[in-house]
This record gives sequence, C-alpha cells and structure tokens, in this order.
Amino acid sequence: EAQVTQNPRYLITVTGKKLTVTCSQNMNHEYMSWYRQDPGLGLRQIYYSMNVEVTDKGDVPEGYKVSRKEKRNFPLILESPSPNQTSLYFCASSSRLAGARETQYFGPGTRLLVL
Amino acid sequence: DAKTTQPNSMESNEEEPVHLPCNHSTISGTDYIHWYRQLPSQGPEYVIHGLTSNVNNRMASLAIAEDRKSSTLILHRATLRDAAVYYCILPLNNNDMRFGAGTRLTVKP
Repeated sequence: EAQVTQNPRYLITVTGKKLTVTCSQNMNHEYMSWYRQDPGLGLRQIYYSMNVEVTDKGDVPEGYKVSRKEKRNFPLILESPSPNQTSLYFCASSSRLAGARETQYFGPGTRLLVL
Repeated sequence: DAKTTQPNSMESNEEEPVHLPCNHSTISGTDYIHWYRQLPSQGPEYVIHGLTSNVNNRMASLAIAEDRKSSTLILHRATLRDAAVYYCILPLNNNDMRFGAGTRLTVKP
C-alpha cells in the first residue's frame, strides 16, 4: 500500500531536549516536505526536498533542521525545541512538483507538545 | 502568489449533492487548481485537480469557470464520511501547498 509514515504520532517533551520526527514514503517520490498546522494559520511549509541531498527552506524554517540522505526518508530535527513549536506536523511526498500535475500524499501527522 | 477564498463552513444533508465554491481571482495561466480534504484527526488527502477543463473522478467533480477565477468542488451524494475541511489550493512551484482555513463541511443525517 502506498503510504507516508511518521513516527512518533504523539510526543511530549521539554524545552531544549533534541528530538527527531521520522518520515518515510514507499512510493519512490523525489519530493518531500514538512508542514506544521496551527489553529487559524492553516498548513505552513517548514522545509522541502527535491531529491536526495537537496533541501531548501519553506515558509517557517526557524528552529528546524532536515536531512535527505535516502530517497525514502526525510527526518525533521528540532535541535532545541521551544513551546512555540508545539504543533501538529505533517510530512508529505509527491513524484513531481505539486504546482504542475502531481498530487501530494500526506502522512497521518505528529502531534508535538513542548513544555 | 495567487490567493484563494472559501466560505468558512457549509452544511449538507446526507445523500444530497454539495457544491463547495472557491474564488481565485488572481490565478495565473499556469496555476493548477487542487482540492484536498482533511478528515478529523487525519492528514490532508487529495481529492481532485484541474487546469482549465472540468474534471471528474471517483470522489468528486471539479467545475472550473471559463475565466478560471473561480471553481466549484461537487460531491454528488454527500455521506457522513465526507464531513471534513475542504481546501482549495493553488500550489507554488516549490511544492508548497498553501492551505488556508478551508471550508468545514457538516453532513447531517
């Protein structure tokens, strides 16, 4: 089954404790993205990757890092989480640019609470 | 960046058609119109997309105005499982899906 998986699904942590949210897709997609969803603000793109070793900032990259060492994986790293990073995070992938013809597949989401 | 405008909420009765409108008056000639929906406690899922012509798939139909300044997502027979937030999106070239507030669809039995 074609899917995007994220782990963990729920996470409670404390300020400053480094954490990584993993994302994996089994569709051989080149493009992967991370979004955060906050009430009243919709989904905002954090980082995206157009292929292995190619990443770039989205709308709200501050406080986040990503890496793309393998095509299927795109982990989101919070080196020093702060309470304002409490949010619902989604990973997404697509075979080509969504602005053209391709659709994006979203993961189930990771709900993060930073105390 | 082209912006979309949707009603905050709509209601429908089960088994009846639903027409969800979207205005995108600043759309450019190459912008595709995508619709996604987000069911409660789930990630967004693709519904349909189009460029100029009306489109049909197993989930819905997309009617695009001749001037492309608006579009309408049509659910032919709403079910309780269609209750979700529906987003009309004009994706950017960096794969950025600019989700706004969307339209919250309530389906009444």
